[in-house]
Amino acid sequence: QVQLVESGGGVVQPGRSLRLSCAASGFTFSHYAIHWFRQAPGKGLDWVATISYDGRITFYTDSVRGRFTISRDNSKSTLYLQMNSLRPEDTAVYYCAREPAATVGVPSFYFDYWGLGTLVTVSS
Amino acid sequence: QSALTQPASVSGSPGQSITISCTGTSSDVGNYNNRVSWYQQPPGKAPQLIIHDVTSRPSGVSSRFSGSKSGNSASLTISGLQAEDEADYYCASHRSGNTYVFGTGTKVTVL
Repeated sequence: QVQLVESGGGVVQPGRSLRLSCAASGFTFSHYAIHWFRQAPGKGLDWVATISYDGRITFYTDSVRGRFTISRDNSKSTLYLQMNSLRPEDTAVYYCAREPAATVGVPSFYFDYWGLGTLVTVSS
Repeated sequence: QSALTQPASVSGSPGQSITISCTGTSSDVGNYNNRVSWYQQPPGKAPQLIIHDVTSRPSGVSSRFSGSKSGNSASLTISGLQAEDEADYYCASHRSGNTYVFGTGTKVTVL
């Protein structure tokens, strides 16, 4: 069965860095675009970043561009989110999710499997 | 990047039907590509896809969930409301510029 498991969250001081991981199993990871989302405590969902199936194309929301980097290692079926210069407003549960693809490289524009999330708290 | 507008809460009695609206712009919901999806998030759990491409239901999702769209607004209807439907519901849309935007979220309460 398809599984996505996030890890790497924790408490970090403002200005510091953290790297999140998302381990995938149950499907051919290298065939799918993957996304990061976040949800601040008591708030709604926000899209954070996207990476194409081959890692060549990435997109970011304005508030993290230049600070966060999405990457993937298809040999390890793992997605990453390197978060630098963290701010208190980055505090959230971070989810990874798969974008289905009937054909490799052709986007579907929705997200069919989600991980359980990992909590990042940015506080001094 | 403004979020799509949803009502904060909707409630109904068991067996009733409720509808949740999701209002955006011509750059997202109103785009002719119909890239609107809906997600159910039970308390303390991860989101789950219930509708994609405005009206399509993934395998395993109850037929009580249906979606529609008119102009810049999309809607999710839950028919035959059940206690297990209590959750937060979010719409989402692809937006020009290769970004995604979510709705503000709607808390559904079964009375």
